Amino acid sequence: TQLLEQSPQFLSIQEGENLTVYCNSSSVFSSLQWYRQEPGEGPVLLVTVVTGGEVKKLKRLTFQFGDARKDSSLHITAAQPGDTGLYLCAGAGRNTGNQFYFGTGTSLTVIP
Amino acid sequence: NAGVTQTPKFRVLKTGQSMTLLCAQDMNHEYMYWYRQDPGMGLRLIHYSVGEGTTAKGEVPDGYNVSRLKKQNFLLGLESAAPSQTSVYFCASYLKTQYFGPGTRLLVL
Repeated sequence: TQLLEQSPQFLSIQEGENLTVYCNSSSVFSSLQWYRQEPGEGPVLLVTVVTGGEVKKLKRLTFQFGDARKDSSLHITAAQPGDTGLYLCAGAGRNTGNQFYFGTGTSLTVIP
Repeated sequence: NAGVTQTPKFRVLKTGQSMTLLCAQDMNHEYMYWYRQDPGMGLRLIHYSVGEGTTAKGEVPDGYNVSRLKKQNFLLGLESAAPSQTSVYFCASYLKTQYFGPGTRLLVL
């Protein structure tokens, strides 16, 4: 059972375009993390959101945690080729805070 | 600090063979995890440990065993490898965030 569904699964855009990646679940999470993974490497944390409705910005990346703490979104403004990678969301279980459930992943390609 | 290291980086096994994947961390973290990553599936938790001498099952534990005899090491064992265990395996340690190793690519023929 995949607790977290991400959409879209694949995304190919031109440099300078904006995009949004969604991470949805029917479960409530105590916190949610976003990672970026490059080929041949492990995921690297981008951000952690904890409070329902929380918005965090990391340069051109904006992360939002849903009010009910069941979903999240990642918005990238003016995408650059360096943003290319696999984006993963991961939720910490509400009652099992030391277990993380990963989303299905979104593979982003930014074409110069 | 090396962070999280994994050995080996790549391995080919025949069905029925056994092997052990080693994960080591030098950050003194209590929590450690083993995941597998398959196309279109994200990462799925196999087993995890909340401290030396403790282990617990994750989402997909069948066919795997683990041991945490030392705080810095978390071992993942495959007693009798199957083609369905062909995957990329990631280890992580945790303190506020998860720190991942570079992965082990396993091919079971």
